[in-house]
This record gives sequence, structure tokens and C-alpha cells, in this order.
Amino acid sequence: IAGITQAPTSQILAAGRRMTLRCTQDMRHNAMYWYRQDLGLGLRLIHYSNTAGTTGKGEVPDGYSVSRANTDDFPLTLASAVPSQTSVYFCASSAQGLAGGNEQFFGPGTRLTVL
Amino acid sequence: AQSVAQPEDQVNVAEGNPLTVKCTYSVSGNPYLFWYVQYPNRGLQFLLKYITGDNLVKGSYGFEAEFNKSQTSFHLKKPSALVSDSALYFCAVKGNTPLVFGKGTRLSVIA
Repeated sequence: IAGITQAPTSQILAAGRRMTLRCTQDMRHNAMYWYRQDLGLGLRLIHYSNTAGTTGKGEVPDGYSVSRANTDDFPLTLASAVPSQTSVYFCASSAQGLAGGNEQFFGPGTRLTVL
Repeated sequence: AQSVAQPEDQVNVAEGNPLTVKCTYSVSGNPYLFWYVQYPNRGLQFLLKYITGDNLVKGSYGFEAEFNKSQTSFHLKKPSALVSDSALYFCAVKGNTPLVFGKGTRLSVIA
């Protein structure tokens, strides 16, 4: 069982370019999440999805978009990358979203550098 | 709004000694509380959670945490630290909104 996979592992990107970070889970979890991790700031929620077909904004959604066409995939898109989006991005999933106390399972992360 | 505070950026402890990583929270209603651990260049791993019931929660790798409602705390503890416990630890709280993480505490266990 792979759990959650993320691609790419790392990426260096020119400012202004478009980039999609991929996330796939094989646990049939209803809810999925995208976080960014920055030194001294912990993890901050970007967007989430309680179930396929629905998405919601987290704490820091500006400059990012997501879609949830099916249960397994939850891609994160940066339409026009800026240097402040340099970060480590983690995808996570849980059996339930807002309604439950289920723990989240995390992917290995994508290290993104925007120059 | 819900929030989590981890007052210590760094905790140092000698191997074999007990360790405590502190966490306090603020949330409306009854909280769901979690601890996660992150090893270098890895994603977060779930350690334990408090949902309801016994205030002392036992989790993975010998860790435990005590829920204290009056002090709004959920400190992580282990009776005897190992060098391999050295990592970044995150406390998180969930009410009726998505999970909110603390900024993390780096634990260093010295041999």
C-alpha cells in the first residue's frame, strides 16, 4: 500500500510559470488537504476537499487553486508562481473531513523553489 | 478561531531521561487534539490523538499525552527518551473547522 504519493519530489521554477503539484492517495479517503511548510511558521492549510467534487479555502489560499474530480487525486496548481511560494508542500488525506476526528496521513512532500 | 501554541522552539533532553513537549490550545466546543512527528525530509507521521474519554492517551513509540481541559493543554510525554526520538513535533487541534497546527518543537535527545 503506497498511501499518499506526491510528484515531483522537488522542482525549481521560474517566476511567472504555471506549475501543478500532483497528489494521489489509495486509501479511499474522503477528505484531502494541501499544506505548505515554512520555517518558523509550521504547517498552514492552503486548500482542502471534504469529498470528491467539493473544495474549500484554507488559511493561505491566494495564488493557488485545486480540483477534486475523483476520490484519489487532488492536484494543486500555481497559476503564476512567485518567489514567496517557495516552500515545501505536503498533501494529506483523512477518512473524514470537518465532521470527524480522524487523523491525517501525509505524503512525502514536494520541495518547490521559485526564482 | 482555533489556535495552538507550542511555547518551546527547542527541547533538549539526555537519553534515558523523561521528556515533555508542551502544547496549549484554544477552540470552541470540544476539541480533537493530535500529535504528529516529522523526521528530516519526510512527511508528518501521526503519533496519537484525543477525541473523548480517558484523559491519558497512549500512542506510537512509547509516547503518551495528557488532556487537561482546565488548563487547555495537551502535553506530549515519554518516560525514557531515545536518541532516535530526535525530530520535529507538531501539536494540532480541530474543532468544527479544519485542523490547525502549532509551529512545532524540535526535540534533541543527547546520548
